[in-house]
Amino acid sequence: DQQVKQNSPSLSVQEGRISILNCDYTNSMFDYFLWYKKYPAEGPTFLISISSIKDKNEDGRFTVFLNKSAKHLSLHIVPSQPGDSAVYFCAAGGNDMRFGAGTRLTVKP
Amino acid sequence: NAGVTQTPKFRILKIGQSMTLQCTQDMNHNYMYWYRQDPGMGLKLIYYSVGAGITDKGEVLNGYNVSRSTTEDFPLRLELAAPSQTSVYFCASSYPPAGSFRLSAEKLFFGSGTQLSVL
Repeated sequence: DQQVKQNSPSLSVQEGRISILNCDYTNSMFDYFLWYKKYPAEGPTFLISISSIKDKNEDGRFTVFLNKSAKHLSLHIVPSQPGDSAVYFCAAGGNDMRFGAGTRLTVKP
Repeated sequence: NAGVTQTPKFRILKIGQSMTLQCTQDMNHNYMYWYRQDPGMGLKLIYYSVGAGITDKGEVLNGYNVSRSTTEDFPLRLELAAPSQTSVYFCASSYPPAGSFRLSAEKLFFGSGTQLSVL
């Protein structure tokens, strides 16, 4: 059962524009959410997180939004840069951690 | 500071063979994990450890074994390899989460992965 879903396998945006990556979850017991970024031939690296007591968390160009009633979170990257091209995983934590399948972001110069 | 180091990076096994995936971390993290990632799927937890001598299973139940004799090392053993174990394997570590024990730590530090093919 996929408790965390990233329904867009890929996303392509122009450099300088906004990238929006989406993630949906089904388990209302999840109370902590993270985004990881993965380059080819490397392991995922932590990007940003948000607790369920918040609805927004910012870190530089990266902002995560959480909509608990919709069980939805999104990652906004503004402005997008070619170096942001990678696979982005969302993860949801409660009593354990579940990962989405990832979205491949391509930022075109 | 090397972080989490996994070896080997690639391996091809024949059905029925056995092997050990090595993982070591130099961050003095108590918690360590093994995940696998199949194409089009999210990472799935195979085993985790909250400290030396303590291990427990994740959501992937069969075909693997682990040991944790030191804080630094967390090897994953595959016995009698099967084609269903073809996957990318990631080792990770973390600080203990704040508060009571939960698997959902604040953030995981991952190794670069092992691409395993069983033919």
